[in-house]
Amino acid sequence: AQSVTQLDSQVPVFEEAPVELRCNYSSSVSVYLFWYVQYPNQGLQLLLKYLSGSTLVKGINGFEAEFNKSQTSFHLRKPSVHISDTAEYFCAVSDPGDYKLSFGAGTTVTVRA
Amino acid sequence: KAGVTQTPRYLIKTRGQQVTLSCSPISGHRSVSWYQQTPGQGLQFLFEYFSETQRNKGNFPGRFSGRQFSNSRSEMNVSTLELGDSALYLCASSYGDVASGELFFGEGSRLTVL
Repeated sequence: AQSVTQLDSQVPVFEEAPVELRCNYSSSVSVYLFWYVQYPNQGLQLLLKYLSGSTLVKGINGFEAEFNKSQTSFHLRKPSVHISDTAEYFCAVSDPGDYKLSFGAGTTVTVRA
Repeated sequence: KAGVTQTPRYLIKTRGQQVTLSCSPISGHRSVSWYQQTPGQGLQFLFEYFSETQRNKGNFPGRFSGRQFSNSRSEMNVSTLELGDSALYLCASSYGDVASGELFFGEGSRLTVL
């Protein structure tokens, strides 16, 4: 079964500064990778996903992630954060045909003015 | 287009009782998944249904069950509630392949067991 490790549980960052959230997954022949965001008192929303092709994936709200197969990583980045980016971010992985996502423990991003 | 609707949003039960949570997926979505979210365990997969068939089940005791109706609406039931069942229960629907597609989540049903 796939597993996901998010290396940072909390990331405080100042407004307009860059942020990187780290995610590692257990190796497999092929996986699909996702980043979801959860704003307070809301469900999860997809930021971006990697299925195949280019290892640099661009998502919504200025986020991007880079798939690194040799390091089994899928780190999320944003060059300049806003107060509104304060949320919990989840990395997730799935196996083709598995009908489920396996989520990491989440990283809480707090953006301060 | 309406999103995923979960009812009730909040509920309080006592140990030993049972609870039923409901999920209405986005129109046209035939896959419905359920996840349990707690501060300690994060998001844990409960089960996934497609066209009334359970295709995958997570590692939860038999007290947790679910079903899907012909209109794709889904319910999950937890019997003999325990304090540890207190959690946010999230439902997600998907149009295509669950593994490679996008899951659309509802806002969740927050269950408190006293």
